Amino acid sequence: QQQVKQSPQSLIVQKGGISIINCAYENTAFDYFPWYQQFPGKGPALLIAIRPDVSEKKEGRFTISFNKSAKQFSLHIMDSQPGDSATYFCAASIKGGSEKLVFGKGTKLTVNP
Amino acid sequence: NAGVMQNPRHLVRRRGQEARLRCSPMKGHSHVYWYRQLPEEGLKFMVYLQKENIIDESGMPKERFSAEFPKEGPSILRIQQVVRGDSAAYFCASSPWGKENTGELFFGEGSRLTVL
Repeated sequence: QQQVKQSPQSLIVQKGGISIINCAYENTAFDYFPWYQQFPGKGPALLIAIRPDVSEKKEGRFTISFNKSAKQFSLHIMDSQPGDSATYFCAASIKGGSEKLVFGKGTKLTVNP
Repeated sequence: NAGVMQNPRHLVRRRGQEARLRCSPMKGHSHVYWYRQLPEEGLKFMVYLQKENIIDESGMPKERFSAEFPKEGPSILRIQQVVRGDSAAYFCASSPWGKENTGELFFGEGSRLTVL
């Protein structure tokens, strides 16, 4: 119940294309859903996050879509750029609990020029 | 504004030795989390600490691993009698307390442990 399942494991997109990464969870107590971006040799950094009271959140080229009934959420990267090439992790946590983040296994995104 | 500081960045140990990894949280942050990342894997939660207290250690292996966050000084993750399977990147993250806590964790750049 504490798992967050992420797909695909890797993704190759052409410059200017749309990158889509999907995650699913089981624990309905999760109420915070962030996406982290990690470059090689670096620590993860928060990209964008959503709470279940909204179905979509957009920040620049990055959008989270959230489907509470299906217990799924996804990251869309519009107009993907080579600089977006990184590993992306979805995560979930329960605010008010220990607030630890449970991470998906990650998606390695490669954006070709 | 210094971020989360971890050291050493790289550590090599032989089997049976001890590894000590240190983490200084961001200024003003009172919560520290340790995560382990194996090659091609996601980040696995290990332990959550506040000053002088372990809040959640549900992800810590039962033996050889311990963590502390003393009143003064950095948080320390200690691995005794290391084995090759302990080779991984260990990330520390911090967050503020109370109303300032949005849920975001701020990660350091990690300590990469190699066990020979």
